[in-house]
Amino acid sequence: DAEITQSPRHKITETGRQVTLACHQTWNHNNMFWYRQDLGHGLRLIHYSYGVQDTNKGEVSDGYSVSRSNTEDLPLTLESAASSQTSVYFCASSFTGDEQYFGPGTRLTVT
Amino acid sequence: AQSVTQPDIHITVSEGASLELRCNYSYGATPYLFWYVQSPGQGLQLLLKYFSGDTLVQGIKGFEAEFKRSQSSFNLRKPSVHWSDAAEYFCAVAPLGGSGAGSYQLTFGKGTKLSVIP
Repeated sequence: DAEITQSPRHKITETGRQVTLACHQTWNHNNMFWYRQDLGHGLRLIHYSYGVQDTNKGEVSDGYSVSRSNTEDLPLTLESAASSQTSVYFCASSFTGDEQYFGPGTRLTVT
Repeated sequence: AQSVTQPDIHITVSEGASLELRCNYSYGATPYLFWYVQSPGQGLQLLLKYFSGDTLVQGIKGFEAEFKRSQSSFNLRKPSVHWSDAAEYFCAVAPLGGSGAGSYQLTFGKGTKLSVIP
């Protein structure tokens, strides 16, 4: 069955370290998205991609970057992790004109 | 900019009782509308969506939602709640029209947590 996976599911890192969260989908969706979920804020869009080599900033992109070298993967990198980036991160994918399918999430703690 | 308001942060209902979760949106035109559910420690699952047509939309797990253009609302309902419905519910909107994935960037409400009393 097609699916969307995220790894790791849990991560603890130190302030200032670079961290990369993986997202992999097997639906061949052209669109991929990264969100963060924080108590009281719901989900907020970090970055999104319409296709290979395309990336765009979302509402809360500062301190994050993404790259899209193939259809299946959209890794999210925190260049220098900060405590304010402690959150639960969700990846999603979709075909244009269709609903978004969400991964199981990655809980990131920055100490 | 579009926005989504879910006025109720937390709702508690008894099992078997009816449920209505409120969602209001602010947007210049009719957007695409969605309800997602998130069980503890899980990702989001789509319950239902409204793109056009009949304003009463049926979803999975016995849920339905009604789009009311005059009230800019898209409230979620269920006639009889089951204990397994305890979860957090998110309303989301995406701009109608345009092209590319940008048309489907979701703006989420802050969520309503549903507790069910056995």
